[in-house]
Amino acid sequence: QTVVTQEPSLTVSPGGTVTLTCASSTGAVTSGYYPNWIQQKPGQAPRALIYSISHKHSWTPDRFSGSLLGGKAALTLSRVQPEDEAEYYCLVYYGGGWVFGGGTKLTVL
Amino acid sequence: QVQLQESGPGLVKPSQTLSVTCTVSGRSIGSGGFYWNWIRQHPGEGLEWIGYIYHSGSTYYNPSLKSRATISLDTSNNQFSLTLTSVTPADTAVYYCARSNEFQLDFELWGQGTLVAVSS
Repeated sequence: QTVVTQEPSLTVSPGGTVTLTCASSTGAVTSGYYPNWIQQKPGQAPRALIYSISHKHSWTPDRFSGSLLGGKAALTLSRVQPEDEAEYYCLVYYGGGWVFGGGTKLTVL
Repeated sequence: QVQLQESGPGLVKPSQTLSVTCTVSGRSIGSGGFYWNWIRQHPGEGLEWIGYIYHSGSTYYNPSLKSRATISLDTSNNQFSLTLTSVTPADTAVYYCARSNEFQLDFELWGQGTLVAVSS
């Protein structure tokens, strides 16, 4: 069973920068895994932010960026706003099927 | 504007079959270019991908649910559905439908979710 691992929780100050990571039990995450980043705020449905490592949707704020970092997929939030407090999930493609990471609860404090 | 809306029974008894439906508005699900996915979220927990169906009818499932899950298309009503057999309380979750782009492989569009509880 493939496991995708994320930091369970992170805290960042308003205006600061934070990087969330996403690791695969199968080895390095590469472009062929098409990593997505999904945001979910309490009581709301998930919303897509980033796809294929670093591509943004039209609604994704510029302060969000995706990359590959040390064999992991990474989501970096710059100039963090209070409204960025949410759960963030990475979603990784494994040749047909998808696996979600366990999620990172981001607290803005 | 394309929208997805889930509907379900709300409550299912253990050992019975759970069925949830996603109604797609604004685009024909038979026109190709997208995968139509089911994802669930147990109360207070993370997201779990269940499976998808393509407009051709081909499917792919999470191995952990493959023996109990079936996703089907109803092009006449522009809907797709998930059926989960032999449910237990562990299948209590919010069930989301989502569309992923065939070429970009991004989960660009989600429904609001429907809560299904499994209880006697």
